[in-house]
Amino acid sequence: GNSVTQMEGPVTLSEEAFLTINCTYTATGYPSLFWYVQYPGEGLQLLLKATKADDKGSNKGFEATYRKETTSFHLEKGSVQVSDSAVYFCGGGTSYGKLTFGQGTILTVHP
Amino acid sequence: KAGVTQTPRYLIKTRGQQVTLSCSPISGHRSVSWYQQTPGQGLQFLFEYFSETQRNKGNFPGRFSGRQFSNSRSEMNVSTLELGDSALYLCASREEGGSYNEQFFGPGTRLTVL
Repeated sequence: GNSVTQMEGPVTLSEEAFLTINCTYTATGYPSLFWYVQYPGEGLQLLLKATKADDKGSNKGFEATYRKETTSFHLEKGSVQVSDSAVYFCGGGTSYGKLTFGQGTILTVHP
Repeated sequence: KAGVTQTPRYLIKTRGQQVTLSCSPISGHRSVSWYQQTPGQGLQFLFEYFSETQRNKGNFPGRFSGRQFSNSRSEMNVSTLELGDSALYLCASREEGGSYNEQFFGPGTRLTVL
């Protein structure tokens, strides 16, 4: 079956620091890959997505590139803000309405 | 368009009871998936419904069931509740077709079993 391995953290950074959260996947076929973000007391919001090898997803300063050769989809941001503090989930899916998620990474950004 | 809505937002039940959670997808979305989120197990897929039929199922016991109505609204039911069923239950809807498997999530229902 499919599986997603995600850097668990927690990750604590100062404002304007560089962020990387690692994510690798194992799947039959070539899944679409996603990063979702969850703020306290809320559901998951889609942050960015990629559907095929070498696709780069980007949104709100966050980026991730679908690397088929390393089966990775690492999340990066050049300069984090306090408002980026949240839980980040890497997920993948090959068909229909089933996504497999990593364990989530708690990010805390201090002023 | 309105987003995915889930009711109720919070529930408290006792062991042995049963519970029904409701999810209304984004207008035009016919696929509805359910996930369980717990601190220990993370996000786990329960099942997916499309056109009133269960199309995909995760590894949960038969106490967990669901259904979908002709207007695409979905309910999930948990019978004989156990303490371990305490979790955030998330519903997600998806637009069939297209090249993505992108899902849009609701705010969740927080179930506490005492």
